[in-house]
Amino acid sequence: NAGVMQNPRHLVRRRGQEARLRCSPMKGHSHVYWYRQLPEEGLKFMVYLQKENIIDESGMPKERFSAEFPKEGPSILRIQQVVRGDSAAYFCASSRLASGELFFGEGSRLTVL
Amino acid sequence: QKEVEQNSGPLSVPEGAIASLNCTYSDRGSQSFFWYRQYSGKSPELIMSIYSNGDKEDGRFTAQLNKASQYVSLLIRDSQPSDSATYLCAVKGPGYGGATNKLIFGTGTLLAVQP
Repeated sequence: NAGVMQNPRHLVRRRGQEARLRCSPMKGHSHVYWYRQLPEEGLKFMVYLQKENIIDESGMPKERFSAEFPKEGPSILRIQQVVRGDSAAYFCASSRLASGELFFGEGSRLTVL
Repeated sequence: QKEVEQNSGPLSVPEGAIASLNCTYSDRGSQSFFWYRQYSGKSPELIMSIYSNGDKEDGRFTAQLNKASQYVSLLIRDSQPSDSATYLCAVKGPGYGGATNKLIFGTGTLLAVQP
């Protein structure tokens, strides 16, 4: 029974490039959450999605960041024109219900040179 | 004021002792409360959830909730070196009245259990 799958696990980009992070939720889970974690800091909420819908994007920067969770395929967090401050670990989590009991993926660690 | 506050630690306890981790939250409408454990370089994992006032026990872990004081705690009995990790408190709103189901995390408390 596969858990939450994130890829790539590590991604290196130069300033100005695009980063695409993918997340496949656990089987049977329709709620997906993206969090960002900087070194020595907690998890910062970015966006909450259900299939084909963005439920809450209040934690997402207004520019350069977007997220989607299409009917078919993984959820994607897209960061355009990356800057050094985007370097962080990006965690995806999923849940079967909107219960707060989240299952996390291993994270995607983005490094911007 | 931060939405969920925790002492960053480190909290150092000897092996076999009780570790007490504390968390306060600002939104009185919060309904659900969780403790996640995160080992260094790893992803968070859920260890406890609590929804009503009082204590909830699961093995060596006890979660305590006091909604009037907006306070959540986690007790770890018979602490082991393998319990050394960052413990994240998380709070969820009611999911209505404009508050969605997003989970807000504290910055975590680093626990170090000394052999």
